[in-house]
Amino acid sequence: GAVVSQHPSWVICKSGTSVKIECRSLDFQATTMFWYRQFPKQSLMLMATSNEGSKATYEQGVEKDKFLINHASLTLSTLTVTSAHPEDSSFYICSARVEDQETQYFGPGTRLLVL
Amino acid sequence: GDSVTQMEGPVTLSEEAFLTINCTYTATGYPSLFWYVQYPGEGLQLLLKATKADDKGSNKGFEATYRKETTSFHLEKGSVQVSDSAVYFCALKPGSARQLTFGSGTQLTVLP
Repeated sequence: GAVVSQHPSWVICKSGTSVKIECRSLDFQATTMFWYRQFPKQSLMLMATSNEGSKATYEQGVEKDKFLINHASLTLSTLTVTSAHPEDSSFYICSARVEDQETQYFGPGTRLLVL
Repeated sequence: GDSVTQMEGPVTLSEEAFLTINCTYTATGYPSLFWYVQYPGEGLQLLLKATKADDKGSNKGFEATYRKETTSFHLEKGSVQVSDSAVYFCALKPGSARQLTFGSGTQLTVLP
């Protein structure tokens, strides 16, 4: 149980285009999902907390107009990287939290390469 | 603010060696503590957790004890295998918060 999927697993795009990444909780409902960014050989940086039915809460320094988050259902959150640039290339990981439980379950990550 | 400090890697061990990865934390109140493991090219997987002082989390031969007096949660395994090669992250979650705070990660390589 408690499986989280991400799609796509990797994506290559041209600079200036937008990329959408999906995060799904497959066998549970997640009122809260988290989006992280991980640079090579570094830890995870929390970008935003995605709340079902409401606006996402962004961490300081993360541009909300650049990284659009939508959490339209209890099993799906999406992260859209708008007008992507090479510096947006990274490994993006989502996690989902089961209501009333502490444990977060992580997706396998999406590797984004912007050319 | 809350923070997690992990021993710097990389750590390279021979198979069947004893493993310790140190983790200390700073937090208000009584956080829950976690160890996550990340295999190459994959997302994080929960390895073990402890929610209160003196609790011992254990899984797959790994264990860690929540030490409030030393604010530590060191990860140990008595005999590592090549398949344990991964990056290990220590993390905490304060009681009232929803998000995790991660340490910087420790790369472990186990040689046959």
